[in-house]
Amino acid sequence: DGGITQSPKYLFRKEGQNVTLSCEQNLNHDAMYWYRQDPGQGLRLIYYSQIVNDFQKGDIAEGYSVSREKKESFPLTVTSAQKNPTAFYLCASSLTGGWGQPQHFGDGTRLSIL
Amino acid sequence: DQQVKQNSPSLSVQEGRISILNCDYTNSMFDYFLWYKKYPAEGPTFLISISSIKDKNEDGRFTVFLNKSAKHLSLHIVPSQPGDSAVYFCAASTTSGTYKYIFGTGTRLKVLA
Repeated sequence: DGGITQSPKYLFRKEGQNVTLSCEQNLNHDAMYWYRQDPGQGLRLIYYSQIVNDFQKGDIAEGYSVSREKKESFPLTVTSAQKNPTAFYLCASSLTGGWGQPQHFGDGTRLSIL
Repeated sequence: DQQVKQNSPSLSVQEGRISILNCDYTNSMFDYFLWYKKYPAEGPTFLISISSIKDKNEDGRFTVFLNKSAKHLSLHIVPSQPGDSAVYFCAASTTSGTYKYIFGTGTRLKVLA
């Protein structure tokens, strides 16, 4: 059954620590995305990757890093430089990064600061 | 600057009636629009889309209308069912520049049995 798997569902971080959120897809999609959702706000794009070994900053990339070494995997690292990391993080993929491609989402990871 | 706006944070509708969810945008370069549905503790699910060459797209109980001159789109659900209770997001994109979607803040729909 194809889809996007995000793990863990809930994550707690101490201040000053880096933490990595996992995102895996078996849809054979080229493009992958990371969004952040805060209460009362829409989804904001952190990073996206249209192809393996390539990725671009989104609107709110500061304090985050990504890698795309494999087509099916797009992990997001929340670094200690991200001053307000508490949020709901969503990973998505689309067949290509082109126009008119709906994105398929995982079920998200909720990150909280201890 | 919120380029895609959903001004109604919530909406309640009786089962069997029509639900109308609205979305306004400011960027006239947007030419492709989508609606997503999101249940609690789950990721958004793609519902329906429309490109700017059309003014209407229909899929079963769901119809999206696009008014380019008013920079407005709406999602109609007829008839509404209790299972439609969720948060609905609209999103917009443009073929020019870097491809990405801009999402609205969402409208929580509650369908009352």
